[in-house]
Amino acid sequence: QSVLTQPPSASGTPGQRVTISCSGSSSNIGSNYVSWYQQVPGTAPKLLIQRNNERPSGVPDRFSGSKSGTSASLAISGLRSVDEADYYCASWDDSLSCKVFGGGTKLTVL
Amino acid sequence: QVHLQQWGAGLLKPSGTLSLTCAVSGGSFSTYYWTWIRQPPGKGLEWIGEIDDRDTTHYNPSLKSRVTISLDTSKSQFSLNLGSVTAADTAVYYCARRQPNWGAEDYWGQGTLVTVSS
Repeated sequence: QSVLTQPPSASGTPGQRVTISCSGSSSNIGSNYVSWYQQVPGTAPKLLIQRNNERPSGVPDRFSGSKSGTSASLAISGLRSVDEADYYCASWDDSLSCKVFGGGTKLTVL
Repeated sequence: QVHLQQWGAGLLKPSGTLSLTCAVSGGSFSTYYWTWIRQPPGKGLEWIGEIDDRDTTHYNPSLKSRVTISLDTSKSQFSLNLGSVTAADTAVYYCARRQPNWGAEDYWGQGTLVTVSS
């Protein structure tokens, strides 16, 4: 069982806006930055968001991150078929003294 | 362009030692953190640990007794050693570069599937 909780699946139609949630606690999300990764099966994860809401160079502005209290969200607007992938959130956990990940959310573009 | 290329043995026997190396090209070794993350087949990501350019390491407490991450700045490489492996250590292992100042892993290696089986 993962320290950070994500819904196992999400879906949307092309052009739609989809949100993926990530729930944690005061020892991780509540006191540290959140990052988000996209992983197409069989390939390495790709960084989408770091420090809660910063997009690295090259990541489309269709992807945005936010954080409130002990929860965080990744929003994908203008959904495209290429967005179909697994999405993971992560944060440092002060109690465990290590980085922790969510269990991942499989996004399906209908 | 930063590139991480990793290699190491893909099949180990139980109680053996996993050894992987990751070579970094196209960027500086200093300032950044050098990380290992693994993913069991069909499962999520697990942070193993990291090292910085001053050789300071941080390990996942659940693996700490078996893990060593080291750095060879002269070769622009860093390595992972995991001892006393069992079938539970079967996973794809990734090396990655993490941004400083509480940043995240922005460049990743291609991944290495390591299978532990007798």
